Amino acid sequence: KNEVEQSPQNLTAQEGEFITINCSYSVGISALHWLQQHPGGGIVSLFMLSSGKKKHGRLIATINIQEKHSSLHITASHPRDSAVYICAVFMDSNYQLIWGAGTKLIIKP
Amino acid sequence: DAGVIQSPRHEVTEMGQEVTLRCKPISGHDYLFWYRQTMMRGLELLIYFNNNVPIDDSGMPEDRFSAKMPNASFSTLKIQPSEPRDSAVYFCASSLDSGNTIYFGEGSWLTVV
Repeated sequence: KNEVEQSPQNLTAQEGEFITINCSYSVGISALHWLQQHPGGGIVSLFMLSSGKKKHGRLIATINIQEKHSSLHITASHPRDSAVYICAVFMDSNYQLIWGAGTKLIIKP
Repeated sequence: DAGVIQSPRHEVTEMGQEVTLRCKPISGHDYLFWYRQTMMRGLELLIYFNNNVPIDDSGMPEDRFSAKMPNASFSTLKIQPSEPRDSAVYFCASSLDSGNTIYFGEGSWLTVV
């Protein structure tokens, strides 16, 4: 069993839809990161969470430490949101970063 | 701030040659990470440094790979000799502290032929 699991692996939606990507983890963490990777390859850090909820524009990230679960939401999705979204957790035991497999999101116009 | 700076952006080299990838982290960041991304294996942590000291190099695939961080503003990842299976995108990243936001460079795209 992977220590970080994301779902869904692939998601195709129409422009304007509300998007949710989930991340579950099984290890103790000091922080959880959501990252975005566009087809061109560059990786951008979206959020770093250790508790609660953060919002940036149309993106919202939440984390439930007790349930070891985080979600990334995109409101009013747009084709330019098409990318791979990666959840990664920073283990609190050895500072190693463990990655989820990523969710490939395609937003159709 | 200029962000994490990597060089070269693209390199094509022949099998057996030495490859050196370079990274300049964001000033003041105490952690520096080297990652490799391939289609088959996704994103893998190779090694990370804290205050210029290598902390965990368990991800380094074999002795052909070595990484150094001679000072707080510079790190290298060296492959000698290179092999076609080393072809990948190599990302460098830095963060202020463990658990803080990680900032990635744009990656070095390596092709070994």
